[in-house]
Amino acid sequence: QQQVKQSPQSLIVQKGGISIINCAYENTAFDYFPWYQQFPGKGPALLIAIRPDVSEKKEGRFTISFNKSAKQFSLHIMDSQPGDSATYFCAAIYSGAGSYQLTFGKGTKLSVIP
Amino acid sequence: DVKVTQSSRYLVKRTGEKVFLECVQDMDHENMFWYRQDPGLGLRLIYFSYDVKMKEKGDIPEGYSVSREKKERFSLILESASTNQTSMYLCASSTPTLAKNIQYFGAGTRLSVL
Repeated sequence: QQQVKQSPQSLIVQKGGISIINCAYENTAFDYFPWYQQFPGKGPALLIAIRPDVSEKKEGRFTISFNKSAKQFSLHIMDSQPGDSATYFCAAIYSGAGSYQLTFGKGTKLSVIP
Repeated sequence: DVKVTQSSRYLVKRTGEKVFLECVQDMDHENMFWYRQDPGLGLRLIYFSYDVKMKEKGDIPEGYSVSREKKERFSLILESASTNQTSMYLCASSTPTLAKNIQYFGAGTRLSVL
């Protein structure tokens, strides 16, 4: 059962454009939603994360938008640059007393072309 | 900064060999994880550990075992390597005292089984 569905699988964006990656989750117990960025040959690195009581979080050119009622969240990369070319994973975490679950989306390969 | 170190970046082994993948974290994290990453399949959890000498099966434990004798070190063992275990292996660590147990990853070990 795939609890976090990520789309698109791949994305090509022109330099300077906006990259948008979407994720949808099923388990309403999830209470933290990070995004990871992975360059080829490297491990995933935490990029930005959001709590479900916040509708938007911005860090530089990266913004998470969160829609709790729709159980969806998305990553927006403004003014996309070739250096942003990487695979992006969304994730959902449940971390309660004596219980922990982290579920990843399957990833989006972003290519930013000059 | 959290540092998760995987002992080898690249490994080439023969079918039937016993393989050890080592992971060390320097942040006194309670939780440690092993994933494998394959194209189109995303990150799949093999085993995790909440404490020293404690282990739990993840989604794909078959053909693997783990060892956690010290808090900072988590080892993944392939008892008899097979070609279908050729993959990128990622170690991660987390602590419930930091940002909802968010996971921090090592750089990965790319294992080829011939």
